[in-house]
Amino acid sequence: AQSVTQLGSHVSVSEGALVLLRCNYSSSVPPYLFWYVQYPNQGLQLLLKYTSAATLVKGINGFEAEFKKSETSFHLTKPSAHMSDAAEYFCAFLGGAQKLVFGQGTRLTINP
Amino acid sequence: DAGITQSPRHKVTETGTPVTLRCHQTENHRYMYWYRQDPGHGLRLIHYSYGVKDTDKGEVSDGYSVSRSKTEDFLLTLESATSSQTSVYFCAISESNLRANEQFFGPGTRLTVL
Repeated sequence: AQSVTQLGSHVSVSEGALVLLRCNYSSSVPPYLFWYVQYPNQGLQLLLKYTSAATLVKGINGFEAEFKKSETSFHLTKPSAHMSDAAEYFCAFLGGAQKLVFGQGTRLTINP
Repeated sequence: DAGITQSPRHKVTETGTPVTLRCHQTENHRYMYWYRQDPGHGLRLIHYSYGVKDTDKGEVSDGYSVSRSKTEDFLLTLESATSSQTSVYFCAISESNLRANEQFFGPGTRLTVL
């Protein structure tokens, strides 16, 4: 079955440090992958998406993700964390009939 | 922001009572979805709609029904609420069935079943 797995339910980094959130997918066909962010008590907002046009995808708020077929990964990174980046992040896979399949989520904490 | 509202935003109910959650959109998008969010599970699809009166089941549809009589409204009904249905429910919309199309999410409804 097609799925995504997020490694680490909770990641903590210092302000200014590199942010790395991991996502691996399993799919027998080229996937369409998304990263969403959820701030406290809010809905989900799209950060970026991979649609096979380019392996390095740039999103909002300085985030980017690189699609690596050989590693079946789509990790999310940001060079320098900001306090406002504290949120929960979801990797998602687009299945049939436009149905999103989400990973379990990773809660990012930023330490001052 | 996409024009999506959910009502109510918070609800506390008792086991065995019927509950209806409403999702309303002003974007005239064809596709609408209901998800539930639970710790450790991310978001899981309950039901979705690909047009007026056209709906289908998602991953966790047992105990839920939906209806869509107008493009702008998608209702989720719990016929007889159970404690396992305590969750945060999100509605999402999508313009088309193009594979790269983004889904826009509403603000969520927090439901507690006592």
